Amino acid sequence: SQQGEEDPQALSIQEGENATMNCSYKTSINNLQWYRQNSGRGLVHLILIRSNEREKHSGRLRVTLDTSKKSSSLLITASRAADTASYFCATASTSGTYKYIFGTGTRLKVLA
Amino acid sequence: DGGITQSPKYLFRKEGQNVTLSCEQNLNHDAMYWYRQDPGQGLRLIYYSQIVNDFQKGDIAEGYSVSREKKESFPLTVTSAQKNPTAFYLCASSISPPTGKLFFGSGTQLSVL
Repeated sequence: SQQGEEDPQALSIQEGENATMNCSYKTSINNLQWYRQNSGRGLVHLILIRSNEREKHSGRLRVTLDTSKKSSSLLITASRAADTASYFCATASTSGTYKYIFGTGTRLKVLA
Repeated sequence: DGGITQSPKYLFRKEGQNVTLSCEQNLNHDAMYWYRQDPGQGLRLIYYSQIVNDFQKGDIAEGYSVSREKKESFPLTVTSAQKNPTAFYLCASSISPPTGKLFFGSGTQLSVL
């Protein structure tokens, strides 16, 4: 399967700093989503951006999408210790597809 | 509370044994999914079901089987044919057809004795 790639694989920052993680994918997409996973838990949906959108905000989250480069970035501003988790991007290639392609994830550690 | 319940949280399999992972949802979603997660990797799709009494193979279906007799339930059986079953298994659901958002259970960690 064609998994997306995320970088960095791991990121360690101080509380209050911003965290940026990137996702690259291989196929044309209908939308791209970001999920969060706490250790040993399920994934929680954070935000979705459609292929015709370039930027989207939700609280402290900012997502950008560049379809020409097949890449997206997730910015978490003013990070908190509670943001410590793994973050995954997922892409849906066509409308109504049931096959989402997940990236390999970025492990974020926010130090208090 | 609406959500997806996976059980058990931890499961151990002996060699040659089939084991079944439970997934129940009360979100009234038509679509359900099973994913496998290995350390350092993303999620890989095992099986998905668009509607009751229907399911399709995902990318890594060999050694697994599913059923979808009820809208709320989508159990996954890891058969003895799956030679490397140790992984974290995640069940998810969505509306059908999906518009984007997947809802996940809390996962089952399967290990081999």
